[in-house]
Order: sequence, then C-alpha cells, then structure tokens
Amino acid sequence: NAGVTQTPKFRVLKTGQSMTLLCAQDMNHEYMYWYRQDPGMGLRLIHYSVGEGTTAKGEVPDGYNVSRLKKQNFLLGLESAAPSQTSVYFCASSYEGNEQFFGPGTRLTVL
Amino acid sequence: AQSVTQLDSQVPVFEEAPVELRCNYSSSVSVYLFWYVQYPNQGLQLLLKYLSGSTLVKGINGFEAEFNKSQTSFHLRKPSVHISDTAEYFCAVRGGTALIFGKGTTLSVSS
Repeated sequence: NAGVTQTPKFRVLKTGQSMTLLCAQDMNHEYMYWYRQDPGMGLRLIHYSVGEGTTAKGEVPDGYNVSRLKKQNFLLGLESAAPSQTSVYFCASSYEGNEQFFGPGTRLTVL
Repeated sequence: AQSVTQLDSQVPVFEEAPVELRCNYSSSVSVYLFWYVQYPNQGLQLLLKYLSGSTLVKGINGFEAEFNKSQTSFHLRKPSVHISDTAEYFCAVRGGTALIFGKGTTLSVSS
C-alpha cells in the first residue's frame, strides 16, 4: 500500500517549457487535489477533482491544467512555465473530503 | 468563505517545555477542523481532526487540541515537547470539498 505517490520528485524547467506532474493513489479515494506551497503562504489549492472525469478550479488555477482520466491518477500540467510557478507541489487524496493524505511533493524550479 | 489564521509564524521552545500553537477560524454553521504536521522535506501528515463530539481532541505524538466555538479557536497543545517535534504545523478548515490552510507555524525545539 504505497498511499499517494508523485513523480517526478525534482524538476528544473526553462521559462516557456511544458511539463506534467503525475499523482497516483492506491486507496480508491474519490477526491484528489493539487496544492502549491510557497514560503510564508501555506498551501494553496490549484485544482481538485471529486471523481473520475471531473475537475474544478481552486484558489490559484491560472497557468495550470489538470486531468482525471482514471480514478487513481490526477495529472497537473504546466503548458508554458513561468518563474512564478517555482514552488513545491503537493498532491493529496481523500475518501470524503475530510482527512486528506498527502504525497511527498515535487520541487519545481523554473529558470 | 471560510478562513484560518495562525497567530504565530514561529514558536521557539526548549525541550520538555509545554507549547501551544494558536489557530483561529472564521465562523460557520458547521466546522470541520484539522491540524497537520510537515517535517523537513516531507509531505503533510494528519495530527488530529475535529468533526463533531468532544471539544477536546487527542492526536498522534501526544498532541491535543481544543475546539472553542465561542472563541472560534482550535489551538494545538503538547505538555512536553521533544527535539523531534521540530516541524511546521498547519491548521486547516474544511471549505466546501477542499481544505483551507493557514500559513503555518514553525515550531523549533532546542535543548
């Protein structure tokens, strides 16, 4: 039982490049989330999903897209990376929206 | 909209001393409250949660929190801290289908 896993763990991009972050969970959870963590800002919700095939915007969705084609996977895409997207990205999943289980994070640097 | 305020950004304490990390939330009809801990370079781990029932909630690692509806507070306490409790602590409230996090409190325990 791996819980929530994220790939990659680290990534360096140049401005304008694109990439996809993958989140996978093996707990059969309906709800999945993407957050970004910046110093002094706490965690801010980017996008979330309440089930396979559904997605919704969170607090800071601009510059990101997501897809939930399979229940166990939640992908976060950056189409044209900007230095302001340098951050640590966390994925989380939840059975019914209360207790959330977090992945180990992806540290992204955009030069 | 729900919101959370963590009143202290940093709390330095000596080993074996008691500690209180303060959290206030915006009032709502029903409130679900959480405390998470983040050790360096790791994801977030649930310490404890209040969904209903007893206002004194006990969590892992000897932590407890008290839900105070009149004060709209959910302060985290531990009677005697260890060096290993050094970490960042986040208070969160459920807002819709996601959690809204405070900006975090860094607890530094020294000998």
